[in-house]
Amino acid sequence: GAVVSQHPSRVICKSGTSVKIECRSLDFQATTMFWYRQFPKQSLMLMATSNEGSKATYEQGVEKDKFLINHASLTLSTLTVTSAHPEDSSFYICSAWNQETQYFGPGTRLLVL
Amino acid sequence: SQELEQSPQSLIVQEGKNLTINCTSSKTLYGLYWYKQKYGEGLIFLMMLQKGGEEKSHEKITAKLDEKKQQSSLHITASQPSHAGIYLCGADIFAGGTSYGKLTFGQGTILTVHP
Repeated sequence: GAVVSQHPSRVICKSGTSVKIECRSLDFQATTMFWYRQFPKQSLMLMATSNEGSKATYEQGVEKDKFLINHASLTLSTLTVTSAHPEDSSFYICSAWNQETQYFGPGTRLLVL
Repeated sequence: SQELEQSPQSLIVQEGKNLTINCTSSKTLYGLYWYKQKYGEGLIFLMMLQKGGEEKSHEKITAKLDEKKQQSSLHITASQPSHAGIYLCGADIFAGGTSYGKLTFGQGTILTVHP
């Protein structure tokens, strides 16, 4: 199947700093990518849809200014958590469609101290 | 309430036993996807079902979508410790039958297989 990578896999940062997470489609192009968030023992919650060359579409309740998304190319989307706080600590996963299947990255665990 | 309900929430079985996980929605499912996740890792795609009554198998895992396209089941035959993990169903429930859209996920089923 298609491969989606994420970087970093794990990040620890201080409260108030910003953290950037990269999502790449390695062997296919993706005009649309998705960013999910997952809390321990809970399901995935869609945060936003990242659109190449245009603004991201955010789900209800997700702060646009808090979670900045940039889809700079057909293989790269970035999620920046700005002014991170401990409550932003979570597991962030991106995904992209390829041939009628949505493939997921390995996830990024963010811990804000 | 969840738009996709999975049951059971957790399941503990002895190696070699068969098991079934269910995924139910009150809405029509336009594309039903089963994934497996190990804790702290990404999702591994297992199978996709689109047509009512469709059934697919891969190794010891069989997934079915009912005729009404509102319920899916994942059946594992002769379970092994390697089957342990979190199983998630995801579906396109936003009508239109279009792919490449948002997926809504069930809450997951944690499977433990004792050797």
